This record gives sequence, structure tokens and C-alpha cells, in this order.
Amino acid sequence: SQKIEQNSEALNIQEGKTATLTCNYTNYSPAYLQWYRQDPGRGPVFLLLIRENEKEKRKERLKVTFDTTLKQSLFHITASQPADSATYLCALDTGFQKLVFGTGTRLLVSP
Amino acid sequence: EPEVTQTPSHQVTQMGQEVILRCVPISNHLYFYWYRQILGQKVEFLVSFYNNEISEKSEIFDDQFSVERPDGSNFTLKIRSTKLEDSAMYFCASVTGGYTGELFFGEGSRLTVL
Repeated sequence: SQKIEQNSEALNIQEGKTATLTCNYTNYSPAYLQWYRQDPGRGPVFLLLIRENEKEKRKERLKVTFDTTLKQSLFHITASQPADSATYLCALDTGFQKLVFGTGTRLLVSP
Repeated sequence: EPEVTQTPSHQVTQMGQEVILRCVPISNHLYFYWYRQILGQKVEFLVSFYNNEISEKSEIFDDQFSVERPDGSNFTLKIRSTKLEDSAMYFCASVTGGYTGELFFGEGSRLTVL
């Protein structure tokens, strides 16, 4: 079955630094990979989608890379702010938004 | 901004009771989903629904679960006889149609089975 691994430990960084989150997957070759943000007790919120033929995608302070050879996606938040503190979920799209999620990485941005 | 709404936000029930969770997807969306998240665990796919029928379902979605779109606006998830392990946050989601990528999730219904 598909396995998706994200850093299980929380990532603590200082405001203004770049946060880099990792998503590794096995046993699957997704056409799409998505990143979501989840705040405690709330639903996931879509951030970015990257296709298998795209190496990099950007949206404001966010950047996602996708290496289908390494089976890895990196998610970067530049100039991080305390408001960026949340859990970030990686998800593989197995077809028509049937998403397989990772466990998420909790990001804590300190002022 | 349009949003997916879910009710109730929290439901407590006794084991063996039937529960119905309700969702109002975004009005022009055509594909609907239920996902669940057990506390501290991953978000898991349960079922997808299109054109008034189930498109796909996971192993979790057994005979105790059913979905319905009774009136063109609501989308419901029914659990016939709840078990302790059904305690979780249930998220409804929708997408416009075809492949657009962005799933719009509701805020969830927390189900606690005692």
C-alpha cells in the first residue's frame, strides 16, 4: 500500500527564517501531490498542488518541489511568521481527489 | 467566499446508536467526499460521491456506513450502529468537477461514541 512519511517531530523555527518540510512516499507514482494546512480542531485548507511533470510551484511565500525519482516533495515557507504555525499535510492524489494523507508535520514559528 | 458547512459540530452518542452527519457542499460543486480523522492520526478517505452515486469507497466504509444526497443541497453520512472506534472527526469536502485539484473541506463534525 502507499506509504507517506512526513517529519513526525515538530519543526521549531524563528520568525523570518525559511521552514522546509519533507514528504516522502513509496509504492506509488502519483500524478499530483498536494499540500494542506490544518489548524487544531479544524478542517484541512488547500495550499498548493504540483503535477508530476512540474519540478517546482510557487504561491506567495510558499514553494513546493516534486522529485518523482526520489519520490519526495519539499514544502518551503519563506519569511515565516508566527501565524504560519500549524500542521502541514502532504497528500497524494490517487485519482479524482481520493487523497492519501501523511500524518503531517507541526510547524511552530517563534517571534 | 463560499464554504462547505457541516452540522453538528460535535455529537456524543451511545454505542449502537445511529448517527447522521450533515454537510452542505459548495453550490456549484459536483464531487463530494467524506474523510475522517481519528484523534492524533491521519486524515483518511472514506467515500466519494458523484452524480448521485458512490464513485469509490475505502475499506473503512463498510455496510454500517451510507451516504445520501437527499435534496440537491445536503450531503449526509449515516453510521447505522456506532462503535467506539467510530469516534473521530468527520470532514466533508467538495470540488467543482473533473480535475481541479483543490478540495474544499468543511470544519468537521466531531463524533464521540461512548
